[in-house]
Amino acid sequence: GQNIDQPTEMTATEGAIVQINCTYQTSGFNGLFWYQQHAGEAPTFLSYNVLDGLEEKGRFSSFLSRSKGYSYLLLKELQMKDSASYLCAVRNEDQGGKLIFGQGTELSVKP
Amino acid sequence: GAVVSQHPSRVICKSGTSVKIECRSLDFQATTMFWYRQFPKQSLMLMATSNEGSKATYEQGVEKDKFLINHASLTLSTLTVTSAHPEDSSFYICSARVTSGGPLFISGELFFGEGSRLTVL
Repeated sequence: GQNIDQPTEMTATEGAIVQINCTYQTSGFNGLFWYQQHAGEAPTFLSYNVLDGLEEKGRFSSFLSRSKGYSYLLLKELQMKDSASYLCAVRNEDQGGKLIFGQGTELSVKP
Repeated sequence: GAVVSQHPSRVICKSGTSVKIECRSLDFQATTMFWYRQFPKQSLMLMATSNEGSKATYEQGVEKDKFLINHASLTLSTLTVTSAHPEDSSFYICSARVTSGGPLFISGELFFGEGSRLTVL
């Protein structure tokens, strides 16, 4: 089976840095994705990691450790508009490449 | 602009009727598309994997006779919610996996539609 865990909610201050963790257990691992989703909208792609290490993209960075089944999304210089749900998703190649989502982390950015 | 078009974006129907939602890949071909359902304040739950030219693969607990999936071409998958009831009210989202396309597309890349909000009265 598959198991993806991330915190349900987090709160941070505008201008600060926040790290959202995700742990997973799966067979046929072929990549970990992070998505941002605002209420009532479809998810938007943020990052993709398949090899160990850090991927940086502007204010957002994502890290992966395959041996530990662990990833994090790092958001720097937080802005109010970053308040959203952040979804960790794992691709399982043993099952046709489908993407399985964690429960999402609701991030609230406060002034 | 969007590379996966999902239609309709919102639909309200009476209990007992059927509703069809379309997921169309624009400018690329997708042998595989995925259908998700999302209830308020919850994450995306995979319902089924839609395969062009063959039967869909449903996740455990999803009724295949209630949620009919047809993937008749390399750019179109449809989800029909048959005999909809209020408990089927949800946000339905499709995603399409790139099989082939222009130079801007990478094989295997995944794109999401904008979602369809279904309300059953």
